[in-house]
Amino acid sequence: NAGVMQNPRHLVRRRGQEARLRCSPMKGHSHVYWYRQLPEEGLKFMVYLQKENIIDESGMPKERFSAEFPKEGPSILRIQQVVRGDSAAYFCASSRGSLTYEQYFGPGTRLTVT
Amino acid sequence: GESVGLHLPTLSVQEGDNSIINCAYSNSASDYFIWYKQESGKGPQFIIDIRSNMDKRQGQRVTVLLNKTVKHLSLQIAATQPGDSAVYFCAENTGTASKLTFGTGTRLQVTL
Repeated sequence: NAGVMQNPRHLVRRRGQEARLRCSPMKGHSHVYWYRQLPEEGLKFMVYLQKENIIDESGMPKERFSAEFPKEGPSILRIQQVVRGDSAAYFCASSRGSLTYEQYFGPGTRLTVT
Repeated sequence: GESVGLHLPTLSVQEGDNSIINCAYSNSASDYFIWYKQESGKGPQFIIDIRSNMDKRQGQRVTVLLNKTVKHLSLQIAATQPGDSAVYFCAENTGTASKLTFGTGTRLQVTL
């Protein structure tokens, strides 16, 4: 029973490039959440998606960041024109449904912007 | 804004002793709380949860206590082991399966 999968685990981008982070939820889970974690800090909510719908994007920066969860395939967090301040660990979590609170986290993608 | 915070950033405990990690929350509307354990380089791992209609919940070697009067949450780990060394986060949810609000974390160091 595979858990939440994220790839790549490590991603290095130069300033101005695009970063694409992928998340495959646990089997049977249709709810996906993205969080960002800076070193020595807690996780900060970014966006909550269900298949083909963005439910809550209150934690997403207004520019350069976007997320999707298509009908088929993984959820994608996309960061355009990356800046050094985007360097962080990005975690994806999934849950079974809207009445289930428990979120299972993936191993994260560590983004480094040089 | 509403937030969840922790009292101690680092806790050092001897192997075999009990550990207590504390968390204060400020959102009185929160009705669900979770403790996560995060080891270096890994994602948060669910430990135990508690709903606001409960005061106490026990798991294997762990107990979570909720005091709604003073908005305080604690995680107790019995007979702490070296494998318990990690950063522990409390998180809250305010009633919809949406965002979790995390505290800043407490690093637990287990000494031999």
